[in-house]
Amino acid sequence: EAEVAQSPRYKITEKSQAVAFWCDPISGHATLYWYRQILGQGPELLVQFQDESVVDDSQLPKDRFSAERLKGVDSTLKIQPAELGDSAMYLCASSRDINTGELFFGEGSRLTVL
Amino acid sequence: AQSVAQPEDQVNVAEGNPLTVKCTYSVSGNPYLFWYVQYPNRGLQFLLKYITGDNLVKGSYGFEAEFNKSQTSFHLKKPSALVSDSALYFCAVRDRRRSQGNLIFGKGTKLSVKP
Repeated sequence: EAEVAQSPRYKITEKSQAVAFWCDPISGHATLYWYRQILGQGPELLVQFQDESVVDDSQLPKDRFSAERLKGVDSTLKIQPAELGDSAMYLCASSRDINTGELFFGEGSRLTVL
Repeated sequence: AQSVAQPEDQVNVAEGNPLTVKCTYSVSGNPYLFWYVQYPNRGLQFLLKYITGDNLVKGSYGFEAEFNKSQTSFHLKKPSALVSDSALYFCAVRDRRRSQGNLIFGKGTKLSVKP
């Protein structure tokens, strides 16, 4: 069964350092999402792509976060500089149908900022 | 604004007993509704969705959910709980009027099934 691949699974960094997360969605899924999940809360959308275009980045802290999906396939989420409050699970998801389709999630990248 | 409420932080059930995890939603239009399950340090797994049609939706692992438009609810149910069902459960909603809308998630309900 096809899966959404994410790396790294765990990342520990010091504040003010740069971090990057990578996601490879299920083949053929045009819609890709990055969510942030703080411990004890539900996932919250950071950015949504349709192919290589950003559909929604209204909740992305653009002063420190950036995301790209240059060829409309895999995607990278970057944080620079990392802050203590960025410690969370970063989840990537993809969907075949942007309207009715369920999201398929990767295993997530857990970030700890010291 | 769209929102999802899961009023219980935790639900405790004995193995073999029926379980219910509650979810209510608020959207301007008609919703698409979803349930996901999350095991520790893992991503979310899709359980079931309501798009249209029969209000009772059946999903993975014996779970089902009932869409109630008048009560704006989409409660998750299972007739007989298993210890392995213990996990974090998330309800999510998408407003079908927003053609490219993302899913809005509730804060989650921890289900604990004891032997």
